[in-house]
Amino acid sequence: EPEVTQTPSHQVTQMGQEVILRCVPISNHLYFYWYRQILGQKVEFLVSFYNNEISEKSEIFDDQFSVERPDGSNFTLKIRSTKLEDSAMYFCASSAGQGSTDTQYFGPGTRLTVL
Amino acid sequence: AQKVTQAQTEISVVEKEDVTLDCVYETRDTTYYLFWYKQPPSGELVFLIRRNSFDEQNEISGRYSWNFQKSTSSFNFTITASQVVDSAVYFCALSEAFPYNTDKLIFGTGTRLQVFP
Repeated sequence: EPEVTQTPSHQVTQMGQEVILRCVPISNHLYFYWYRQILGQKVEFLVSFYNNEISEKSEIFDDQFSVERPDGSNFTLKIRSTKLEDSAMYFCASSAGQGSTDTQYFGPGTRLTVL
Repeated sequence: AQKVTQAQTEISVVEKEDVTLDCVYETRDTTYYLFWYKQPPSGELVFLIRRNSFDEQNEISGRYSWNFQKSTSSFNFTITASQVVDSAVYFCALSEAFPYNTDKLIFGTGTRLQVFP
């Protein structure tokens, strides 16, 4: 069964460093998302991406964040200068149809620890 | 305002007991979708079910069943004859399709279910 994959599973970084989290969405899906979950809290939407551009973003997704689909398979989230409060689990998701109506399938997550 | 409330923070049951996880939602839309996801201790989010706002039929899948009641804005999830492998955090989520078409899933705070042998 097709699934969303994410690498790395765990990333440790120093405050102020740049990190890139990688995702490979399900191959025939067209809509891509990033969410984050601070430890013990609920899952929060960051950004959605369709047709090579951001379609929606939350207030969390400020100028420190960017997303890219550098090739036909990968979807990345870059945090330019990490802060302590960026420590969280980051989930990538994808859907065949638009996120408002279709099921979003999630990857296993990348745990980001900022020291 | 759009919101999903899961009032039960944690539930503990003994194996074979039935358990119901509550979910209450608020939405400004007339067309919306409701979801349940399971997050086992390993951390991934596993999709369980999607319902649209026009389909109030209850659904059963094996030991799982869902009760959608638009009149009370609730979408409750029942596990029958619970098993230790059901131990996880369960999230209810909402997406809004019309007229405020938005991509994001709005999650509740989750209910941690612990099933003891």
